[in-house]
Amino acid sequence: DIQMTQSPSTLSASVGDRVTITCRASQSISSWLAWYQQKPGKAPNLLIYKASNLESGVPSRFSGSGSGTEFTLTISSLQPDDFATYYCQQYSGDSITFGQGTRLDIK
Amino acid sequence: QVQLRESGPGLVRPSETLSLTCTVSGYSIGSGYYWGWIRQPPGKGLEWIASIFHSGITSYNPSLKSRVTISLDTSKNEFSLRLTSVTAADTAFYYCARAKAFDVWGQGTLVTVSS
Repeated sequence: DIQMTQSPSTLSASVGDRVTITCRASQSISSWLAWYQQKPGKAPNLLIYKASNLESGVPSRFSGSGSGTEFTLTISSLQPDDFATYYCQQYSGDSITFGQGTRLDIK
Repeated sequence: QVQLRESGPGLVRPSETLSLTCTVSGYSIGSGYYWGWIRQPPGKGLEWIASIFHSGITSYNPSLKSRVTISLDTSKNEFSLRLTSVTAADTAFYYCARAKAFDVWGQGTLVTVSS
């Protein structure tokens, strides 16, 4: 199984900050990585697919980068609506695994 | 607009079988895409359960494979999940979703395993 490790687990930031979340795969997954945002009581929402492709309708302040085993999600200027939990997910081959999540709190 | 909706019992007894259906509207599931199930215990992270390609090819989470079956019914435009021998650890919100980078999700349904 491919394990996905996100860091940090919790992040406190302020509106306007630039924040970065990291996701590491236990083996190379090429660019088969997605990022999701989840708010309480809601289904996750796809932000980024194939490591760096912005899903339609997602604000451009979200960006993704990386390949192989190390990936990042960056929010360039935090907005009040961005405080949520973020998950990475690999979809290389037949199996799918999620990272454990990063909770983004208001400082 | 593609929409997915989960349906099934909200309460299942321990050792019994959990059965859920995902009804898809706005897209014919036999035309393409993978279709999958994901679950999330209350307050915890996401766990992929299984996926099925529009052709019927399946893939399963190795940790659940012995208990899980995913199937497709193109005539009803729905796909289903069966999870056997459930325990309290299977209590979770269950989501159905489209593709491998899950771009469309159902709203989720809470299944509680309890006697």
